[in-house]
Amino acid sequence: EAGVAQSPRYKIIEKRQSVAFWCNPISGHATLYWYQQILGQGPKLLIQFQNNGVVDDSQLPKDRFSAERLKGVDSTLKIQPAKLEDSAVYLCASSAITEAFFGQGTRLTVV
Amino acid sequence: QKEVEQNSGPLSVPEGAIASLNCTYSDRGSQSFFWYRQYSGKSPELIMSIYSNGDKEDGRFTAQLNKASQYVSLLIRDSQPSDSATYLCAVRRTGGGADGLTFGKGTHLIIQP
Repeated sequence: EAGVAQSPRYKIIEKRQSVAFWCNPISGHATLYWYQQILGQGPKLLIQFQNNGVVDDSQLPKDRFSAERLKGVDSTLKIQPAKLEDSAVYLCASSAITEAFFGQGTRLTVV
Repeated sequence: QKEVEQNSGPLSVPEGAIASLNCTYSDRGSQSFFWYRQYSGKSPELIMSIYSNGDKEDGRFTAQLNKASQYVSLLIRDSQPSDSATYLCAVRRTGGGADGLTFGKGTHLIIQP
C-alpha cells in the first residue's frame, strides 16, 4: 500500500514570496492533516480536512496560510507571503479511523 | 490549552538495557495515545497506539497508560543502536469532529553500543 506522498521535498524561498506544497493521502483515507514542525519541536496541527471539508483550522495563520482539498483526495497548502519564522518542515498526514500516518514532509527554508 | 509534556533528554541507555520514556498530558478528554519515532531528517513513524488503561505490548515495545494520572510511557526492551531517535508522544481527543494530534516536543534517545 502506497504511503502519503508529498512534494516538493525541499524548497528555499525569499521572504515575502509565495510557496505551495502538495499532498496525496493514502488511498481511502478520508481525513487529511497538515502539520508544521519547527526544528526541535513536535509537529503542530495547522488544519484538518474530513473528505473535502475543513474540520479544524483554529491554528492556521489565515492571514498568510491557506489550504484546500478538492474532490476529497489531494490537498495543497499555500503560504503567501512567507516570513522567516515559517521555516519548518510541513508534514501531511492521513487517517482512516484512529491512526495517522505521515508523509516525508517538505522542508521549507525562508531566507 | 492542551499540553503534552516530555523530557527532551538526551536520554542515554546502554545497548541491551531497557529504555523508559515518559509523557504527561493536560487534557482529561484525551482518549487515544500514540508514540511516534522520528529519525533525524525523517518524518514521524507510528510505533505504538494505546486506548485503554494498562499495558500494551508489541515486540520489544510496551506502552503503558494511566488516565487517572494522565501519564503515558513507552518501554523499549533489549535496546539496539537503531532505536536511537527522537520519540514523540501524541494524544487525541476522539469522538468525531476535530481530532488532530497534540504532540510533545519529543525525547531524544541515544543507545550506546
